[in-house]
Amino acid sequence: AQSVTQPDIHITVSEGASLELRCNYSYGATPYLFWYVQSPGQGLQLLLKYFSGDTLVQGIKGFEAEFKRSQSSFNLRKPSVHWSDAAEYFCAVGLFGNEKLTFGTGTRLTIIP
Amino acid sequence: NAGVTQTPKFRVLKTGQSMTLLCAQDMNHEYMYWYRQDPGMGLRLIHYSVGEGTTAKGEVPDGYNVSRLKKQNFLLGLESAAPSQTSVYFCASSSRPGATDTQYFGPGTRLTVL
Repeated sequence: AQSVTQPDIHITVSEGASLELRCNYSYGATPYLFWYVQSPGQGLQLLLKYFSGDTLVQGIKGFEAEFKRSQSSFNLRKPSVHWSDAAEYFCAVGLFGNEKLTFGTGTRLTIIP
Repeated sequence: NAGVTQTPKFRVLKTGQSMTLLCAQDMNHEYMYWYRQDPGMGLRLIHYSVGEGTTAKGEVPDGYNVSRLKKQNFLLGLESAAPSQTSVYFCASSSRPGATDTQYFGPGTRLTVL
């Protein structure tokens, strides 16, 4: 069965520091990969997605993610975080032709001044 | 263009009571989804719909029913609420299958069952 793992439940980063959030998946085929962000008290918003092609994907708000097939990973990065990036981040994985997306358990990001 | 809206935003029920959550989207999307979000468990799919008049079970469908009588609306019903259904419920929609397309989420409904 397909699965998504976000090994970090909570990460604290200083404002201006770099960020990397980890995501690993277990699938038989190359999946469709997503990162969503959830600000406090709000719904989820798409940050970026990967279907095929260039393995480095650019998203909104200065985020990027890199697909590494050999490591079954799709880690999210940002070179310099802002206080407004404090939120919960979800990695999600799907398969072509499937209606259902599988979400990871999320990583809560705290930004300290 | 409101996107995806959910009604109500908050609700408190007693065990055994029933209620309906309404989701509406104005993007003419075919696909709609109901998720529940619980601490440490991410989002889990309850039911989904691939078009008007269709519904299908997701990962955790027990205790819930859904209907999609109009393309823009997707209703989630709890016939006899239980404390285990205390959660935050999110509706989402997409123009193509949700596993391969962007899903647009509503703001959520926080439900407490006493």
